[in-house]
Amino acid sequence: EAGVAQSPRYKIIEKRQSVAFWCNPISGHATLYWYQQILGQGPKLLIQFQNNGVVDDSQLPKDRFSAERLKGVDSTLKIQPAKLEDSAVYLCASSLDRRGAFFGQGTRLTVV
Amino acid sequence: QKEVEQDPGPLSVPEGAIVSLNCTYSNSAFQYFMWYRQYSRKGPELLMYTYSSGNKEDGRFTAQVDKSSKYISLFIRDSQPSDSATYLCAMSAGSNYQLIWGAGTKLIIKP
Repeated sequence: EAGVAQSPRYKIIEKRQSVAFWCNPISGHATLYWYQQILGQGPKLLIQFQNNGVVDDSQLPKDRFSAERLKGVDSTLKIQPAKLEDSAVYLCASSLDRRGAFFGQGTRLTVV
Repeated sequence: QKEVEQDPGPLSVPEGAIVSLNCTYSNSAFQYFMWYRQYSRKGPELLMYTYSSGNKEDGRFTAQVDKSSKYISLFIRDSQPSDSATYLCAMSAGSNYQLIWGAGTKLIIKP
């Protein structure tokens, strides 16, 4: 079974530029999560989708972050404009049921 | 107070020792409990899943849930240097699949 695919693995951008991350979840997984993880901390949920719909985006900075999940499969997360404090690892995960989520390798973003 | 508390460590033990990793939580509605292992520069990997109270064993790993004390543990027997990683606990009330995370404990197994 293929895992969660994310791209790119690494990205360096200047502040105020825009960036987009892509995620392809495990086939059949209805729930998709985007997390932000800063070194030494646990993952922070940015947005959770159930199929096409948003379940929770309460911690998504909506003035600069946006996310969509087309046809209930792939998802993109965009940051525009980026700030220095957005430097982090962005993790995508998917789940089939309540027995846990499966993560991709993450995208390491550096904003300079 | 955070919903899930986890000592960040680092926890350093000699190879072969039994390791005990713990999380406490405040929300009595949590029913689903998970442990993840995260190596440096990798995504978290699901290790163990437990529903409600009790123990679950998988090879050298044992997960334990004590709902009366709001306390969960992960035990690693015969620890190996390859077990060196950050261990994250996560839990869910189940209603919307939302996961609440601990901050992670960094574990170092010394050869």
